[in-house]
Amino acid sequence: IVFTQSPGTLSLSPGERATLSCRASQSVSGTYLAWYQQKPGQAPRLLIYGASTRATGVPDRFSGSGSGMDFTLTIGRLEPEDFAVYYCQHPGTFGQGTRIDIK
Amino acid sequence: EVQLVESGGGVVRPGGSRRLSCAASGFNFDAHGMDWVRQSPGKGLEWVCGVGWNGDNKNCAASVWGRFAISRDNAKNSLYLQMNSLRAEDTALYYCARSGGRDYDLHFDLWGQGTMISVSS
Repeated sequence: IVFTQSPGTLSLSPGERATLSCRASQSVSGTYLAWYQQKPGQAPRLLIYGASTRATGVPDRFSGSGSGMDFTLTIGRLEPEDFAVYYCQHPGTFGQGTRIDIK
Repeated sequence: EVQLVESGGGVVRPGGSRRLSCAASGFNFDAHGMDWVRQSPGKGLEWVCGVGWNGDNKNCAASVWGRFAISRDNAKNSLYLQMNSLRAEDTALYYCARSGGRDYDLHFDLWGQGTMISVSS
């Protein structure tokens, strides 16, 4: 199964809403769909698992949704610390990532 | 403190071998599957190998199948990755990651800081 994330890069301003897409090449169970944030020089951080459950300590501006082949990570209002690369993950594979840049 | 600390990285010749270790602390190690995930310089994340809570169930990605082997020692709260027949394309930062349940390769809720492997002559 291949996961394709779009867009590759998102240029936004603080306070704007970010919508990131993760599309699977075939239908998968959302039970095993996760999202991570990675900042330069740091290990990834789990944000969302089970497609929509926030990990411990993750702010509620982060939300996950979707099922089947299409999954979405939404960041309600971007904070300066949210500019990073985001990956979706399903057992055995990661998407290629979406970078959120400051506009 | 809940943490994972990797060690064993370095420069290895093509065709060579290396063993990575990951020391876990601050949580019940034998309650979790454990995995290795790697990241080539400037690239994305790639799942490498995973092992279930008791070591019985394990698997590796096709890209390393037959060359890499994962193991764990619950008595020592440690995870290992034996890497043989190393290739240039194995050059990466190798992360130890805790799986979110007793099985491996679920979601990864705790990560180490990584150990770098460079395969070069």
